[in-house]
Amino acid sequence: QVQLQQWGAGLLKPSETLSLSCTVYGGSFSGYYWSWIRQSPGKGLEWIGEINHSGGTNFNPSLRGRVTISVDASKNQFSLKMSSMTAADTAVYYCARRGGIPIFDFWGQGTLVTVSS
Amino acid sequence: EIVLTQSPATLSVSPGERATLSCRASQTITNNLAWYQQKPGQAPRLLIYAASTRASGIPARFSGSGSGTEFTLTISSLQSEDFALYYCQHYYILPWTFGQGTKVDFK
Repeated sequence: QVQLQQWGAGLLKPSETLSLSCTVYGGSFSGYYWSWIRQSPGKGLEWIGEINHSGGTNFNPSLRGRVTISVDASKNQFSLKMSSMTAADTAVYYCARRGGIPIFDFWGQGTLVTVSS
Repeated sequence: EIVLTQSPATLSVSPGERATLSCRASQTITNNLAWYQQKPGQAPRLLIYAASTRASGIPARFSGSGSGTEFTLTISSLQSEDFALYYCQHYYILPWTFGQGTKVDFK
């Protein structure tokens, strides 16, 4: 069974950089895209971006420039960095597996990220 | 980006009744649509993809239909565990986007 376990700081001050990581247990790491998705009361579910095992990436244009996604395939791990955080970025952040069909079939447990001074 | 509009925002249904949820896309997405269920404190769970194909382990009471810009998720006979939030998501072109959700609650 595939499991995604995510971790990272949950409380940030405005202008700080968010850093989250996600480790994949079970299943294959290659052959998939690994995504970050966030959920806030105001904007619902928002896809942030994704990366494959060899480092190929896609990003949501609305967040491009602030987002970096990296991968360490040797550890079955991928990470998200988002710069210049503001209160509007307060949300639950999820990591998720995206298959050949761009649907999200396995998700991490979610991390509540609060941006507050 | 493609905007998905779900209706209604809230659907009040009694157990055993049929629930019909709608998702409309701002442009054609052929059949590149998925549905997810989300319960409080949990991540979304994939129900349907390719507009009408049930994901692994999803009960047959969940069915999807539609193509182009109009899609429907039907729950034929609501069970207590089906009261939740439901989201549609397209994967026609980047960026992938989600609808704002429909809450199915007790009538």
